[in-house]
Amino acid sequence: EAGVAQSPRYKIIEKRQSVAFWCNPISGHATLYWYQQILGQGPKLLIQFQNNGVVDDSQLPKDRFSAERLKGVDSTLKIQPAKLEDSAVYLCASSFAGSHEQYFGPGTRLTVT
Amino acid sequence: GESVGLHLPTLSVQEGDNSIINCAYSNSASDYFIWYKQESGKGPQFIIDIRSNMDKRQGQRVTVLLNKTVKHLSLQIAATQPGDSAVYFCAENINTDKLIFGTGTRLQVFP
Repeated sequence: EAGVAQSPRYKIIEKRQSVAFWCNPISGHATLYWYQQILGQGPKLLIQFQNNGVVDDSQLPKDRFSAERLKGVDSTLKIQPAKLEDSAVYLCASSFAGSHEQYFGPGTRLTVT
Repeated sequence: GESVGLHLPTLSVQEGDNSIINCAYSNSASDYFIWYKQESGKGPQFIIDIRSNMDKRQGQRVTVLLNKTVKHLSLQIAATQPGDSAVYFCAENINTDKLIFGTGTRLQVFP
């Protein structure tokens, strides 16, 4: 069974530029999560989707971050404009609805210079 | 979990020895506690979980112990192998499908 796919794997941008990340969850997983993982820390939830609806975006910096899951499958996370402190790995995870077992993708490592 | 910046706690063990990784949690209402393994350049990988009404669960070469009195969780790895080298995170599951990750521990296995 294919795992969670993410692209790109690496991205380097200058501050104030914009960037977008893509995630394709495991087939059949209704719930999709985006996490931010700063070096040396555990992943921190940014946003949670159930199908194409947002369940929790309380930790998402909405002045610069946005995410969508229009058809309830793939999702994109965007940062505009980026700041130096946004340098991190952005992880996508998915799970069956109501399950505590989340499966993570390989992440996108973002470096903002 | 609180940030520890760039300097993760590190556990160094010799190949073949047993490893014990500890974690403190804060939320008494957690339903499950989960251990994840994260290798360099990869996303976290589920290892084992334990329901909050249990105090011990065993898997293949791994055992998780839960002490709710002191809000402490541990992961024991038997006969540690080089492939076990990674960062290990504990996570609390709340509200069925949310995870709160704790501080990671880097496990280094030397021959």
